[in-house]
Amino acid sequence: QQQVKQSPQSLIVQKGGISIINCAYENTAFDYFPWYQQFPGKGPALLIAIRPDVSEKKEGRFTISFNKSAKQFSLHIMDSQPGDSATYFCAARRRNAGNMLTFGGGTRLMVKP
Amino acid sequence: GAVVSQHPSWVICKSGTSVKIECRSLDFQATTMFWYRQFPKQSLMLMATSNEGSKATYEQGVEKDKFLINHASLTLSTLTVTSAHPEDSSFYICSARPGGSTNEQYFGPGTRLTVT
Repeated sequence: QQQVKQSPQSLIVQKGGISIINCAYENTAFDYFPWYQQFPGKGPALLIAIRPDVSEKKEGRFTISFNKSAKQFSLHIMDSQPGDSATYFCAARRRNAGNMLTFGGGTRLMVKP
Repeated sequence: GAVVSQHPSWVICKSGTSVKIECRSLDFQATTMFWYRQFPKQSLMLMATSNEGSKATYEQGVEKDKFLINHASLTLSTLTVTSAHPEDSSFYICSARPGGSTNEQYFGPGTRLTVT
């Protein structure tokens, strides 16, 4: 059972555009939602994270929007740059589960110059 | 801060042999370490969770006798793939969680295992 569904699987954006990646979950026991960026052959690196009591969080060009009632959250990358080309994973942590993360399927982002 | 290393970064071994992968937290003590497996163009799948000094907890479908995990210190965990087969070829990634109230896990750079 895929507990965190991520879309789209791949995304092509022009330089300077906005990249939007969406995730949805069903388990209301999730209480922490990080986003990771992964370059080929490297481990994931934390980009930004949010808790469900906040509807939006912004760090630089990266913004998470969170809709608790819809059980959806999304990552927006403003002014996308070629260096942002990577695979992005959303994740969710289940409360009282030892910080175990459940990952979405990933989105391969390509930003064209 | 919060750097996690893995060694080796890549390894090629013959079918039937065993391979050990190390995961180290370089600048913090990790009460919990996680081991993930990632196939090409796929997501990370949690294999097991290990707490220092305790036996690892394996996810459903992961053979604990094949994937031996040791977390003997607060800065080191090892994953040994025993009697490796070509289907074990994958990208293995560890992450480490510091003690305390932090939510975060810090990921290592991964180890590419190829079994021939």
